[in-house]
Amino acid sequence: EAGVTQFPSHSVIEKGQTVTLRCDPISGHDNLYWYRRVMGKEIKFLLHFVKESKQDESGMPNNRFLAERTGGTYSTLKVQPAELEDSGVYFCASSHPGLIYEQYFGPGTRLTVT
Amino acid sequence: AQKVTQAQTEISVVEKEDVTLDCVYETRDTTYYLFWYKQPPSGELVFLIRRNSFDEQNEISGRYSWNFQKSTSSFNFTITASQVVDSAVYFCALSPFLTGTASKLTFGTGTRLQVTL
Repeated sequence: EAGVTQFPSHSVIEKGQTVTLRCDPISGHDNLYWYRRVMGKEIKFLLHFVKESKQDESGMPNNRFLAERTGGTYSTLKVQPAELEDSGVYFCASSHPGLIYEQYFGPGTRLTVT
Repeated sequence: AQKVTQAQTEISVVEKEDVTLDCVYETRDTTYYLFWYKQPPSGELVFLIRRNSFDEQNEISGRYSWNFQKSTSSFNFTITASQVVDSAVYFCALSPFLTGTASKLTFGTGTRLQVTL
């Protein structure tokens, strides 16, 4: 069974540009999460989808971040316009409806804003 | 608010030594889950263990063991006879227990473990 996949693995963009990160959860996992780790700090929650609905978006830093999960499958996280402080590693995780407390993480997307 | 503290930023041991990674947490929830994840050089976070707050039994899985002490709000992780493949960043995490509802994880800052020959 394929794990959580994320694309791209790395992205380098200039301040003011737009970037879209994609996450494909494990098949059958209704719950999908986005997290972010800024260099040297803790991994912080951004938001949580249940199928296509946003269950909790309390961690989204500001309105430059937009997450979608159309059709309840893959999810995208768009940053527009990107700022220097958005640099970090963005992780996606998913969990099965029968094992909701076990989140399986992808390898992350390293975003560098210059 | 929830908080997880991993005071050890980096630990270096020689292979076959035992090593304990500390985790201290804060929460106002009466029931919650505690987790440990491993992040190898490949980058993904690998789930190691989940522990319920109402189950204080220690757990052993091969060379790994976990010591949960509610009285001190700690959930420490010990690797016995460490190996080079154990080199990774280890994260402790916490989430509230909400019946039937998944919830976000609150992570510590991680402990980088370096095991050398």
